[in-house]
Amino acid sequence: NAGVTQTPKFRILKIGQSMTLQCTQDMNHNYMYWYRQDPGMGLKLIYYSVGAGITDKGEVPNGYNVSRSTTEDFPLRLELAAPSQTSVYFCASSGTIYEQYFGPGTRLTVT
Amino acid sequence: AQRVTQPEKLLSVFKGAPVELKCNYSYSGSPELFWYVQYSRQRLQLLLRHISRESIKGFTADLNKGETSFHLKKPFAQEEDSAMYYCALSSIGAAGNKLTFGGGTRVLVKP
Repeated sequence: NAGVTQTPKFRILKIGQSMTLQCTQDMNHNYMYWYRQDPGMGLKLIYYSVGAGITDKGEVPNGYNVSRSTTEDFPLRLELAAPSQTSVYFCASSGTIYEQYFGPGTRLTVT
Repeated sequence: AQRVTQPEKLLSVFKGAPVELKCNYSYSGSPELFWYVQYSRQRLQLLLRHISRESIKGFTADLNKGETSFHLKKPFAQEEDSAMYYCALSSIGAAGNKLTFGGGTRVLVKP
């Protein structure tokens, strides 16, 4: 049982490039979330999903897109990367309202 | 809008000393509050939630609605308590459990 896995662990992008951050969970959780964490700050919600085919915006969705075609996968797409998107990205899932399980994070630098 | 504030970025204490991490929140509804912890090289994980009223690893947290606080306390800190601690507020609804995080407090327990 791997829990929540994220790939890649690290990535450097040039301004204007695009990429997809992968997130997979094997706990059959309905709820999945993407957060970003800037240095010295708390995590902020980018997008979330309550089940396959259903996604919605969080607090900071601009510059990102998501899809949820299966229960297990919740990829985050960055279009036209900007330096402001330099951050650590965390994916999480939950099966109940009382606990979220987090992935190890992806450290992204845009230069 | 809901907000979580952790006023201390760093707390440094000696082993065996008490430690208290402050958390204040603003929320118009009835809050659900959590403490998450991230140990070195590990994932962010749930430490405790106020609704459970439990003690985990010697830590307790009391919700004070009058002072809008949810401080985390441990009477005798151990070296293994060194970690990043995040207070989080939940807006529970159809999206499961959308969390708003504080900026985090780094705890360093010295021998």
